Amino acid sequence: GAVVSQHPSWVICKSGTSVKIECRSLDFQATTMFWYRQFPKQSLMLMATSNEGSKATYEQGVEKDKFLINHASLTLSTLTVTSAHPEDSSFYICSARGGAFFGQGTRLTVV
Amino acid sequence: RKEVEQDPGPFNVPEGATVAFNCTYSNSASQSFFWYRQDCRKEPKLLMSVYSSGNEDGRFTAQLNRASQYISLLIRDSKLSDSATYLCAVREGFLGNTPLVFGKGTRLSVIA
Repeated sequence: GAVVSQHPSWVICKSGTSVKIECRSLDFQATTMFWYRQFPKQSLMLMATSNEGSKATYEQGVEKDKFLINHASLTLSTLTVTSAHPEDSSFYICSARGGAFFGQGTRLTVV
Repeated sequence: RKEVEQDPGPFNVPEGATVAFNCTYSNSASQSFFWYRQDCRKEPKLLMSVYSSGNEDGRFTAQLNRASQYISLLIRDSKLSDSATYLCAVREGFLGNTPLVFGKGTRLSVIA
């Protein structure tokens, strides 16, 4: 069945490095992918909306130069956290088809 | 972005109890409504959509009151496996190209 595959599921990186998170739609095409971030005991907060073949739309307060989104094909959307800092440590998760499908999530820890 | 409010809990209930969760949303343009379940460090899983007429799925019943902008979830005969965080979510549109807005979630612990 239709699935969104997200990886890595967890990553630990040093401050100042960049981390790429991938979400692939399996068995369906995702023209739109939503990227969320969830801090402990907080809600899933929408960061940005990626659209295949066009620029991503970022929510207010989310730095587009820090969180690079690429949606180069109908089955792959990526989020790159550039120059990561400890405050970027969070649970990042993608969603397609308006919440019908979620990736497994990526737990990022920046040390 | 307009907000979705939930009582964070935690709700600690014995097995077999009935528990109700409430959620309010501020965006009157919201058209689609859902309850999700999220286990610790996992992705949310759709529990059920919510309709104005109310809907039931086994032990779970969801209600929507558009006039009051209020959504509820009732769980009957609670099981240990129901322990999780329950997220309320709303969407402005009917289609999947608009994002969900989530509440912070209500934590439920069912105790033996």
